[in-house]
Amino acid sequence: ETGVTQSPTHLIKTRGQQVTLRCSSQSGHNTVSWYQQALGQGPQFIFQYYREEENGRGNFPPRFSGLQFPNYSSELNVNALELDDSALYLCASRRDRGNTEAFFGQGTRLTVV
Amino acid sequence: RKEVEQDPGPFNVPEGATVAFNCTYSNSASQSFFWYRQDCRKEPKLLMSVYSSGNEDGRFTAQLNRASQYISLLIRDSKLSDSATYLCVVNINPEDKIIFGKGTRLHILP
Repeated sequence: ETGVTQSPTHLIKTRGQQVTLRCSSQSGHNTVSWYQQALGQGPQFIFQYYREEENGRGNFPPRFSGLQFPNYSSELNVNALELDDSALYLCASRRDRGNTEAFFGQGTRLTVV
Repeated sequence: RKEVEQDPGPFNVPEGATVAFNCTYSNSASQSFFWYRQDCRKEPKLLMSVYSSGNEDGRFTAQLNRASQYISLLIRDSKLSDSATYLCVVNINPEDKIIFGKGTRLHILP
């Protein structure tokens, strides 16, 4: 196992609701990235946190926001859910920024109805 | 042009054959490269890093061509268990963004 855990594993929400997904990074890892993976697609970069600050963002609207805590765990928040937000949300942790390998949690499968 | 491009496949290959995938990247500032494997409805898992000199891990060989901006993965003596989606991953500097390709699906046929 990678030591990266995500919760919950599955979630069903209604359009317009808000959701919070959680990620515990691997011990000693200070960099956490979030990805959205639609069926049949590769993971799409949402944003990245390094030492509690956002330090990179992909092409996602502001209703996707996040946090990183002092213990380097992280949250992804999505407001005003849309049907197209249905996807697998993956969290990846890295030991540090730069050219280090990313280790993924098992993901949260979000279904918006 | 997309930042990381892969042939989506599927590649249908008989067991024991050799198969190769390529991946191209658009940003010449990219610094590090990886291949990940993803099984159906599971998270991606690191298969191997790709070094400038090329590297080998058992039946798997990865190559990097910076001049042409592509990386490759070669799988020899393919096994049924190699059936998966293979994701090409590039770390783009200086933004330090890790970008994934859409993946190449591989089916090993008995």
